[in-house]
Amino acid sequence: AQSVTQPDIHITVSEGASLELRCNYSYGATPYLFWYVQSPGQGLQLLLKYFSGDTLVQGIKGFEAEFKRSQSSFNLRKPSVHWSDAAEYFCAVGARGGATNKLIFGTGTLLAVQP
Amino acid sequence: KAGVTQTPRYLIKTRGQQVTLSCSPISGHRSVSWYQQTPGQGLQFLFEYFSETQRNKGNFPGRFSGRQFSNSRSEMNVSTLELGDSALYLCASSPTGENGEKLFFGSGTQLSVL
Repeated sequence: AQSVTQPDIHITVSEGASLELRCNYSYGATPYLFWYVQSPGQGLQLLLKYFSGDTLVQGIKGFEAEFKRSQSSFNLRKPSVHWSDAAEYFCAVGARGGATNKLIFGTGTLLAVQP
Repeated sequence: KAGVTQTPRYLIKTRGQQVTLSCSPISGHRSVSWYQQTPGQGLQFLFEYFSETQRNKGNFPGRFSGRQFSNSRSEMNVSTLELGDSALYLCASSPTGENGEKLFFGSGTQLSVL
């Protein structure tokens, strides 16, 4: 069955420190991969996505993610965290080649940023 | 261009009642998907509509239903509400019908069941 695992429920980092949020997926083939961010009381905003090609993808707000097929991982990184990055982050997979927009989400990682 | 609009923003109901939530997609978008978000279960896919047809359905009981109108607006209905239905219900629209690559989410409807 398709699934997404985000092992870290909460992460706290200091402002200016680097960040890595982990995501592992289980899928029969190479899926489409996404990272979304959700601020309190808001919907989800797409940070970045991987469909094919270069396994290091750049997104908005200075985020990047690396797809590693051998590890079934798609970890999100940022070199220097800003206080405004405090939010909940969701990794998701989508069906490749299917006529559907259905996404399977991980349970999320809540990021807190210390001054 | 206006974003995805969900109404109402907040809703309080009691057990046994039914509720209807509305989603107006971005103009020109033909695909609408619904998700239930709870602290314990995260985001769970409910169903997806494309050009008024339900194409995909998640693993939810029949009390959860939806529809899409000719103008792409969508509604979801939950009958015989249970306490466990308390959640944030998110709607997402897309101009295409596949891959999940162009999803735009609304801010959600927060449903509380007492």
